[in-house]
Amino acid sequence: DQQVKQNSPSLSVQEGRISILNCDYTNSMFDYFLWYKKYPAEGPTFLISISSIKDKNEDGRFTVFLNKSAKHLSLHIVPSQPGDSAVYFCAASEAGNTPLVFGKGTRLSVIA
Amino acid sequence: GAGVSQSPSNKVTEKGKDVELRCDPISGHTALYWYRQRLGQGLEFLIYFQGNSAPDKSGLPSDRFSAERTGESVSTLTIQRTQQEDSAVYLCASRRTNTEAFFGQGTRLTVV
Repeated sequence: DQQVKQNSPSLSVQEGRISILNCDYTNSMFDYFLWYKKYPAEGPTFLISISSIKDKNEDGRFTVFLNKSAKHLSLHIVPSQPGDSAVYFCAASEAGNTPLVFGKGTRLSVIA
Repeated sequence: GAGVSQSPSNKVTEKGKDVELRCDPISGHTALYWYRQRLGQGLEFLIYFQGNSAPDKSGLPSDRFSAERTGESVSTLTIQRTQQEDSAVYLCASRRTNTEAFFGQGTRLTVV
């Protein structure tokens, strides 16, 4: 029973365009959401997070949107760059230091 | 260093042997997590330590897996009588309360 789902295993985007990565969750107790980026042979690197009291958080080219009623969040990268090519994981947790539950990841390829 | 450190970075072992993986978390991080990532899969939660509380072992796949943590410092993950399906990258992460988790580089375990 997957509590965090990333339904697109891969995504290709032209350099300079917007990349939109989607994530759905089922656990209504989740109140903290994160996106991680992973290159081959490296550990995941934190990108951006959002708490359930917000619906948007922005950091440079990265923006995360949260729709609690739909149990959906998305990561927007604009403009996309070739260096953004990696696997992106969505993660969620309940309040406090509970385990982060990860999706299966979406492989983003930004084509020059 | 200031990050999460894992050792060894790579381990090749024969089926049936025991292995021990080590994680040095970031100083001051009360929570420590072990995850594993099999080839082509997402991050699978294994075990979670929070301060001096009893660990959450709900993700351990079998009784061949165990982990220890001394206070808020080093953790070791032990796999006894390794099987080929244990081959994966084992990732350790640490975090403070309600913040992002920081991951180590991982240990790539190959059981031959």
